[in-house]
Amino acid sequence: RKEVEQDPGPFNVPEGATVAFNCTYSNSASQSFFWYRQDCRKEPKLLMSVYSSGNEDGRFTAQLNRASQYISLLIRDSKLSDSATYLCVASRSGSARQLTFGSGTQLTVLP
Amino acid sequence: DTEVTQTPKHLVMGMTNKKSLKCEQHMGHRAMYWYKQKAKKPPELMFVYSYEKLSINESVPSRFSPECPNSSLLNLHLHALQPEDSALYLCASSQVEGAGNTIYFGEGSWLTVV
Repeated sequence: RKEVEQDPGPFNVPEGATVAFNCTYSNSASQSFFWYRQDCRKEPKLLMSVYSSGNEDGRFTAQLNRASQYISLLIRDSKLSDSATYLCVASRSGSARQLTFGSGTQLTVLP
Repeated sequence: DTEVTQTPKHLVMGMTNKKSLKCEQHMGHRAMYWYKQKAKKPPELMFVYSYEKLSINESVPSRFSPECPNSSLLNLHLHALQPEDSALYLCASSQVEGAGNTIYFGEGSWLTVV
């Protein structure tokens, strides 16, 4: 079983739709969580960190459920420019070796 | 725009060539990383430098040789690579090493080994 699992998609949604991605992690020692966005043939870019209380940044909302060991990303009013692969990242304390990337969920927003 | 810059953006090399990838950051970060990413896969950690010292080597073959000349620069020397080494090589940095620190990636160097 992978340490961080994501639905690879692809998710194809119309512009303006709301879309949600889930990510599960297997190691209960994971402490920090992030969502990165990666455009085609570009580098991953930090979208947002995920806090225990949940956090929102404009149209994006991240939630963490430690009991069930999953995190989620909700995108409201999706734009064409949201089309990308979204990488879920979990990390344990300690060295950078403890940072684990999911395989990513591909999103295409259609006009 | 990313504050981690990588050169070259594209590199094609033969299996007998020697080449280098270069990375620079001016954010005052003391941890720098090399990741390898194949198509439709997540980035895989290769090396970590912490305060200019090699901290992590994820059992990377010796045909990849990292170097950290100073706190702002990170190189990856390539020699006798194989076609399966073709990938996107990402440099990254963070304030210090540690899993809770945000990692910032450069745009990457696309490497093709022929």
